[in-house]
Amino acid sequence: RKEVEQDPGPFNVPEGATVAFNCTYSNSASQSFFWYRQDCRKEPKLLMSVYSSGNEDGRFTAQLNRASQYISLLIRDSKLSDSATYLCVVNTNFGNEKLTFGTGTRLTIIP
Amino acid sequence: DARVTQTPRHKVTEMGQEVTMRCQPILGHNTVFWYRQTMMQGLELLAYFRNRAPLDDSGMPKDRFSAEMPDATLATLKIQPSEPRDSAVYFCASGEGGAQDTQYFGPGTRLTVL
Repeated sequence: RKEVEQDPGPFNVPEGATVAFNCTYSNSASQSFFWYRQDCRKEPKLLMSVYSSGNEDGRFTAQLNRASQYISLLIRDSKLSDSATYLCVVNTNFGNEKLTFGTGTRLTIIP
Repeated sequence: DARVTQTPRHKVTEMGQEVTMRCQPILGHNTVFWYRQTMMQGLELLAYFRNRAPLDDSGMPKDRFSAEMPDATLATLKIQPSEPRDSAVYFCASGEGGAQDTQYFGPGTRLTVL
């Protein structure tokens, strides 16, 4: 079983819709959780960290469920510029900065 | 606007040749990471340094890959000899350190081995 698993998609969603992605992780001792965004042929960039209490940044909401070992990302009122691959990222190593990346979920927003 | 820089951006080489990729981390960052990205495997960590000391290179094929940080402003990844299966995008990232460390990625080196 992979350490971090995501539905690869693609998700094709009309502009203005709400879309949600889930990600599961296998190591219950995982410490830190993130969503990164990667545009086509570009480098990954941090979208947001995911905190135990859940957190929101504008149209984006991230949630963590430790009991079920999954992380979610919700995008409201989707824009064309949200089209990208969204990478679920987990730090499974206490005491160091090593990250494990999911293979990503590809999202395309349709006009 | 501080950025991680990588050279070369593109490299095409023949099987058996040596390939050297360079990375300049963001000034003041003390963690440096090398990743490889392919369609099939996604992003895989190859090597990881903190304060220039190698902490983890378990993801790196030891027989042909080597990673070093000769100084705080330069990280290198070498492949010798290169093979067609090494074709991928190689990213360098740097961070300030800590479990909530944000990793800032360079633009990547797109390597094709013929």
